[in-house]
Amino acid sequence: LAKTTQPISMDSYEGQEVNITCSHNNIATNDYITWYQQFPSQGPRFIIQGYKTKVTNEVASLFIPADRKSSTLSLPRVSLSDTAVYYCLVGDSGGNNRLAFGKGNQVVVIP
Amino acid sequence: EAQVTQNPRYLITVTGKKLTVTCSQNMNHEYMSWYRQDPGLGLRQIYYSMNVEVTDKGDVPEGYKVSRKEKRNFPLILESPSPNQTSLYFCASRDTGEQPQHFGDGTRLSIL
Repeated sequence: LAKTTQPISMDSYEGQEVNITCSHNNIATNDYITWYQQFPSQGPRFIIQGYKTKVTNEVASLFIPADRKSSTLSLPRVSLSDTAVYYCLVGDSGGNNRLAFGKGNQVVVIP
Repeated sequence: EAQVTQNPRYLITVTGKKLTVTCSQNMNHEYMSWYRQDPGLGLRQIYYSMNVEVTDKGDVPEGYKVSRKEKRNFPLILESPSPNQTSLYFCASRDTGEQPQHFGDGTRLSIL
């Protein structure tokens, strides 16, 4: 089961681009990389998912290098409401629901 | 509305008194999971299920039981709760393939 490692916390100013990294050295061939956002006392909410290279949606981009041992979530022009804990998750999209969240990265957006 | 519903949202109880936290999803998802969240430890998977009558242990299964008799329901059972099971619990479901998880709003359990 692939483990993930993230920085514990980071601060950013409103309006800046924020890049959040995740290390997953023992990622398996079938594993996808998924990022979630969690506000206090709420369940995590899906942000973006990818397998390799770059994925972009309306809220974020996900960059995955060729070796797939790490990934970077990029949030463009953050606002105060982006203050949350961000989790990366590596798991098998096939027949296995065995999933391991890391400890998450607390992002604080400063006015 | 597509959702995962957990009940109760909050519960304070005493050591040894059996309790069940219910989880229901209305999206016809195959996969369901239970997680606990503790300060500084992130989310840890307790049990998961890949279909009706198919369940397996996650990272921290000790002291918990689950059942999956129907596709929509995945209750978490604490037969003899202890204070170290005081935590915030989340149920999640997802479809097969590379589909993301949908989480419930959480259940905060306090075992005295």
